[in-house]
Amino acid sequence: EIVLTQSPGTLSLSPGERATLSCRASQSVSANYLGWYQQKPGQAPRLLIYGASSRATGIPDRFSGSGSGTDFTLTISRLEPEDFAVYYCQHYGSSPPWYAFGQGTKLEIK
Amino acid sequence: EVQLVQSGAEVKKPGESLRISCKGSGYSFTSCWIAWVRQMPGKGLEWVGIIYPGDSDTRYSPSFQGQVTISVDKSISAAYLQWSSLKASDTAMYYCARLPSRSYYFYMDVWGKGTTVTVSS
Repeated sequence: EIVLTQSPGTLSLSPGERATLSCRASQSVSANYLGWYQQKPGQAPRLLIYGASSRATGIPDRFSGSGSGTDFTLTISRLEPEDFAVYYCQHYGSSPPWYAFGQGTKLEIK
Repeated sequence: EVQLVQSGAEVKKPGESLRISCKGSGYSFTSCWIAWVRQMPGKGLEWVGIIYPGDSDTRYSPSFQGQVTISVDKSISAAYLQWSSLKASDTAMYYCARLPSRSYYFYMDVWGKGTTVTVSS
């Protein structure tokens, strides 16, 4: 069973700053099966990144993903007010099927 | 437009049964897995199970196996999550989401707005 650990738990930044969110897997995983989601209060999660680095449809290019093996990163190059939310990483490549989510990183306005 | 529309909020007593629904539109419903995801109040996301509407192939998270039943009615493009005897600990938001592939090695690209389930005596 793969466990994903996200850090930090909470990140306090100002609009215009750069955000770097980390996701570490308990064992090496294929980058093909690593995704990132954004969830705003009272809303459903939204897919941002799949395959570790591919942006989903309609996602602004200030969002980027990278990483391999056990360490993955979501970077928001220049924070906009609407980017303050909770972010989850997910691994979706296990057999039998298992969709591990990280515990989330809350990005809050400083 | 691809959409998943979920049924409305439910308030139930412990021991009661419940079935919530998720209706897909704007795509070939039988060609993509549907996942159910739980979010307890103030907590993170947990995978419950998945179903492939084309042949009703169903897989459960070990944490939820035997606790819930996932089913589908492809004639009306609907997936269901049901409980036979609710517990207070089932209180949560439940989301359905699409995996845009026949393969279950896939991300969840479209999500429903969620169904709030409250179980209280």
